[in-house]
Amino acid sequence: QQQVKQSPQSLIVQKGGISIINCAYENTAFDYFPWYQQFPGKGPALLIAIRPDVSEKKEGRFTISFNKSAKQFSLHIMDSQPGDSATYFCAAANTGTASKLTFGTGTRLQVTL
Amino acid sequence: DAGVIQSPRHEVTEMGQEVTLRCKPISGHDYLFWYRQTMMRGLELLIYFNNNVPIDDSGMPEDRFSAKMPNASFSTLKIQPSEPRDSAVYFCASSLGGGIVPKLFFGSGTQLSVL
Repeated sequence: QQQVKQSPQSLIVQKGGISIINCAYENTAFDYFPWYQQFPGKGPALLIAIRPDVSEKKEGRFTISFNKSAKQFSLHIMDSQPGDSATYFCAAANTGTASKLTFGTGTRLQVTL
Repeated sequence: DAGVIQSPRHEVTEMGQEVTLRCKPISGHDYLFWYRQTMMRGLELLIYFNNNVPIDDSGMPEDRFSAKMPNASFSTLKIQPSEPRDSAVYFCASSLGGGIVPKLFFGSGTQLSVL
């Protein structure tokens, strides 16, 4: 059972454009939604995270938008740069009962010049 | 701190052989996770430990997989016997006090190829 569904599988964006990656979850007990960034040959690293008491969180060029009623959240990368080319994973957790993260299947982002 | 250290970085073995993957978590972290990454299924949680005790092993695919954490600074994931479908990147991750904000720190992974 895929509890966190992520799309698209891959994405090509021109330098300076906006990259948008979407995720949807099923478990309403989830209360923590991070995004992880993974470069080739490396493990994923935490990029930004949000809790459901806010609808948006921004850190630099990266913004998470959260829609609790639709059970959806998305990552927006503004002014995308070639250095942002990586695989991005959304994830979710129920921090009250478990410490484990459930990850989406990942989005491979390529930012072209 | 050197971060989460995994070894080996690459492992090539033949079907039927035993494979042992190793992980050294960040010092002081009390949670340790083993994930498997494939193109088809993304990152799958196999098992996680809290204070060296296995908490949830529901993601372990079958009895051929086993994991141990004999002390706070070392964990192993063993596959015996290995099969070609086990080929994947295996990640170890650790975190501190995972309850409120489970920020995971991942190792660089072990690329396993079973021929």
